[in-house]
Amino acid sequence: DAKTTQPTSMDCAEGRAANLPCNHSTISGNEYVYWYRQIHSQGPQYIIHGLKNNETNEMASLIITEDRKSSTLILPHATLRDTAVYYCIVRVALGKLIFGQGTELSVKP
Amino acid sequence: NAGVMQNPRHLVRRRGQEARLRCSPMKGHSHVYWYRQLPEEGLKFMVYLQKENIIDESGMPKERFSAEFPKEGPSILRIQQVVRGDSAAYFCASSIQPGEEAFFGQGTRLTVV
Repeated sequence: DAKTTQPTSMDCAEGRAANLPCNHSTISGNEYVYWYRQIHSQGPQYIIHGLKNNETNEMASLIITEDRKSSTLILPHATLRDTAVYYCIVRVALGKLIFGQGTELSVKP
Repeated sequence: NAGVMQNPRHLVRRRGQEARLRCSPMKGHSHVYWYRQLPEEGLKFMVYLQKENIIDESGMPKERFSAEFPKEGPSILRIQQVVRGDSAAYFCASSIQPGEEAFFGQGTRLTVV
């Protein structure tokens, strides 16, 4: 599985959009980009995933660059409950999820 | 539809005892994954099972650890002769197909005293 690089930590003001970047420059054509988050030692929570098109669901939007070497997770209106560690993972369709260190997002009032 | 259920939530064992961690996947899910999270560290993949088969055990320690997912009943992660270094949170995830999103349980926190 390709390696990902994420900032260690980020801050975001409550109510503003949180934009979390991820670099995956060695991604292969058959690897998906997945995002999970872990809130204070709870089980990881699935957020969204995509292959090459941008994706949106009730939680977030995923923007993948045309060359697929990077992506951004967007939480449109961050709340205090979005404070968590966010993991960007690239994964082949049948492969296991390999978690990196993630980005610790702090949403502040 | 209940989520992934893990039990017990907390488990305390003395060194040398056995620990059995259970995971009931979501209804209709036949793919199960186990992960370990040591204190202040990230999640590490341990093993991937499909009903009655181990598909990928590349993250399992070579000794004392085993996993099964029988035709009936939950998946079991078994740790024999536990040591203090086994103290961690163990998470289970399930998916309906191997390429679909995996949903995680709340974990079992094992403490070895």
